[in-house]
Amino acid sequence: ETGVTQTPRHLVMGMTNKKSLKCEQHLGHNAMYWYKQSAKKPLELMFVYNFKEQTENNSVPSRFSPECPNSSHLFLHLHTLQPEDSALYLCASSQSYAGFTDYEQYFGPGTRLTVT
Amino acid sequence: TQLLEQSPQFLSIQEGENLTVYCNSSSVFSSLQWYRQEPGEGPVLLVTVVTGGEVKKLKRLTFQFGDARKDSSLHITAAQPGDTGLYLCAGVVRGRGKLIFGQGTELSVKP
Repeated sequence: ETGVTQTPRHLVMGMTNKKSLKCEQHLGHNAMYWYKQSAKKPLELMFVYNFKEQTENNSVPSRFSPECPNSSHLFLHLHTLQPEDSALYLCASSQSYAGFTDYEQYFGPGTRLTVT
Repeated sequence: TQLLEQSPQFLSIQEGENLTVYCNSSSVFSSLQWYRQEPGEGPVLLVTVVTGGEVKKLKRLTFQFGDARKDSSLHITAAQPGDTGLYLCAGVVRGRGKLIFGQGTELSVKP
């Protein structure tokens, strides 16, 4: 247990569906991250939130929409996805000081997403 | 674009053997982290190396940061089946506030 939980753990959705991924951290951190992990590719950073404010959007398509209502919760809203979006989506959190994020990140177990 | 190249990508060895995983880049990093990821789980941080030439040991695992802070290695002595997993290196770029990950080394240790 790393203190970061993600639900659901597995999700199968059609290309026209709308679904959401949820992440919750119990570590008192102020920065949260979404990563995409595809087979044989490095982890890709998607979004960074620092004190609920989005500080990084790594050229992610608009069919992925993040939401961070508070420092403990992070959502990733999905709509009209493509089969190539099938991957493991990982959430992470870290400490943050005066706007600078601590680089030691704690990861959740991930959501295995399959788009059919 | 900053890249981290990990090698080998796959490694299958017998219990008791030694192995080394390499992480190389043409870029300088302010520090470098090693993570281990087991199937169905997220990556777990093993160690952070900060100073060029630094060596850190974690039981049978030895981590080294290159003098120029562009490369790192992970050496496992007398590997055990419990060491099986995906090993990821991640470079920290000063001022960027994010990690650059290598593609990972998938290690399988057979009893």
